[in-house]
Amino acid sequence: AQSVAQPEDQVNVAEGNPLTVKCTYSVSGNPYLFWYVQYPNRGLQFLLKYITGDNLVKGSYGFEAEFNKSQTSFHLKKPSALVSDSALYFCAVDTGFQKLVFGTGTRLLVSP
Amino acid sequence: DTEVTQTPKHLVMGMTNKKSLKCEQHMGHRAMYWYKQKAKKPPELMFVYSYEKLSINESVPSRFSPECPNSSLLNLHLHALQPEDSALYLCASSQDPPDTQYFGPGTRLTVL
Repeated sequence: AQSVAQPEDQVNVAEGNPLTVKCTYSVSGNPYLFWYVQYPNRGLQFLLKYITGDNLVKGSYGFEAEFNKSQTSFHLKKPSALVSDSALYFCAVDTGFQKLVFGTGTRLLVSP
Repeated sequence: DTEVTQTPKHLVMGMTNKKSLKCEQHMGHRAMYWYKQKAKKPPELMFVYSYEKLSINESVPSRFSPECPNSSLLNLHLHALQPEDSALYLCASSQDPPDTQYFGPGTRLTVL
């Protein structure tokens, strides 16, 4: 079964420091991977996706993610965190059957 | 424009009430989705409509009844809900999968 795992419930980082939010995947075939962000009491906002091609994917708000096939990972990164980046981040995989399967989510806290 | 709108933003209903949630998109997307999200949990897929036909029902109780009147609109009719149905209900749309799903802001439902 297609699945993603987010091993960290929470990530704490100081403003201005680089951030990484981890995601590993388990899929058969080519993975279609996504990152979404959710602010309190809001819907999910699309950040970026990997379908095929370049392993480094650039997305919205300065975020990027690196697809690593050998480590089955798709970690979300940003070179310099902002306090406004504090939110809940979800990694997701498209199962190929019109279904997105989400990870459990990682809360990012950026301190001033 | 990647906007999906949902109304109402908040809904409080009793267990004997009948109410409806509405979702609209004007991006020409052919697939539309309903998700249920409990606090601090990932969204769970409920229904998928593809080309205005119900293609996926994730064994959702019959007290939830989806409807897709046309390619831009998606409704979720609610009847005889239980308090445990209280959650954030999210609508999303996409072109043909595995294209990106774009989410609306959600309806916060409270069942008394």
